[in-house]
This record gives sequence, C-alpha cells and structure tokens, in this order.
Amino acid sequence: DGGITQSPKYLFRKEGQNVTLSCEQNLNHDAMYWYRQDPGQGLRLIYYSQIVNDFQKGDIAEGYSVSREKKESFPLTVTSAQKNPTAFYLCASMGGKSSYNEQFFGPGTRLTVL
Amino acid sequence: AQSVTQPDIHITVSEGASLELRCNYSYGATPYLFWYVQSPGQGLQLLLKYFSGDTLVQGIKGFEAEFKRSQSSFNLRKPSVHWSDAAEYFCAVGKAAGTASKLTFGTGTRLQVTL
Repeated sequence: DGGITQSPKYLFRKEGQNVTLSCEQNLNHDAMYWYRQDPGQGLRLIYYSQIVNDFQKGDIAEGYSVSREKKESFPLTVTSAQKNPTAFYLCASMGGKSSYNEQFFGPGTRLTVL
Repeated sequence: AQSVTQPDIHITVSEGASLELRCNYSYGATPYLFWYVQSPGQGLQLLLKYFSGDTLVQGIKGFEAEFKRSQSSFNLRKPSVHWSDAAEYFCAVGKAAGTASKLTFGTGTRLQVTL
C-alpha cells in the first residue's frame, strides 16, 4: 500500500540534544513538507522540498534543519537551538499537477522535551 | 498573503443533528480549498477539495462543502452527524499551481458529538 510513514510515534529528548524525525513516502511524490502542530494554533510550515537536493524554509524554520537526499525521504532534525520543541510533528507529501495540490499526511510524531 | 479563518474553536452537536463548520479565506486569485479531519493523535485525512466548477462539492463520510466566492467562504456541512465524526477539522487554502504549492491552514474546529 502506498503511503507516508513517520517514526518514531513518540520521542523524548533531553534539553540540549538534537533529534531526528523520520519521514518516508512510497507515493512517488516530488514535494514533501514538515509541519508543527500546537494546540489552538493549527499547522505551521517548518520546511518544504520540491525536488531532491532542494528545500526551502517555511514560516517557523528557526531551530530546525532538513535534508532531501532521496525522493522518498525527508528527515527533520530538531536542534538544541529550538527553544520550545515539544509539539506534534506532521510530514506530508504532494504529487504532480494531477493531484491538484492535495497533500497526503503521515501519522505524526509527538516530541516531548524532558 | 493567503490566510484562513475558522471562527469556531469548539462546536458541540447532538448525534443525528446537522452540522456546519465555517471557513473564511483570503486569497487574491481563485483558490484551491480543502477540508481535512484529524482524530486525536493521528495525521490529517482529506475530506474534500474544491478547484473549479460546481461550487457544491461532495466528500467522504457524507460531508459536503459549498464555495461562495462573494463571501470568501467554504463551509463544511453534514446533514446528520454520527458519534464517530467527533474530531478536529481543518480548512486549508492553496495556490492554483503545480507542484510544491504551500497550503495555509486554519486553526481548526474541534467537534464534539453528544449521544
């Protein structure tokens, strides 16, 4: 079955540590996205990537980094510079013109800083 | 810049009652509009989308939405709510372009269903 997987489902981090969240898709989609979700704030875009080896900052990129070495993978690193990293993180992907800009979402990773 | 407003943070309806969730958008051209649903601790699932043509669009799970350009609205409706519809609902707007279009999401409306 085609879809998007995120791992781990739950992640705990000590202050000062970097952590990497995994996002993999087998939908053959070109574009991938990372969102952060906090209660009452909806989804906010962190980074997005249109094609392999290319990515752009979203609205809240500070304290985060990404890479796009493979079409299927778009990992997100939450660095120690992110002052308030506890949140629910969602990865999404989008195909070509035929998909009419519909984004498909993974199940999410809940990050908690201890 | 595009923006989305969902004025209702929380709505409670009785099972079997009708439902309307409001969504207003701001966008300079013809928008692509979406409604997504999210169960607690889960990802988002697309309910329906509007790009052009008939302004009344049908989605999954018995939902429908109507695009009203004059009111910049895209309200979600369901004639009879089921207890399993309890979830958070997000309206989103995107550019009418090809790949890598960014979506802007509203802050969501949490639906509670009473039996």
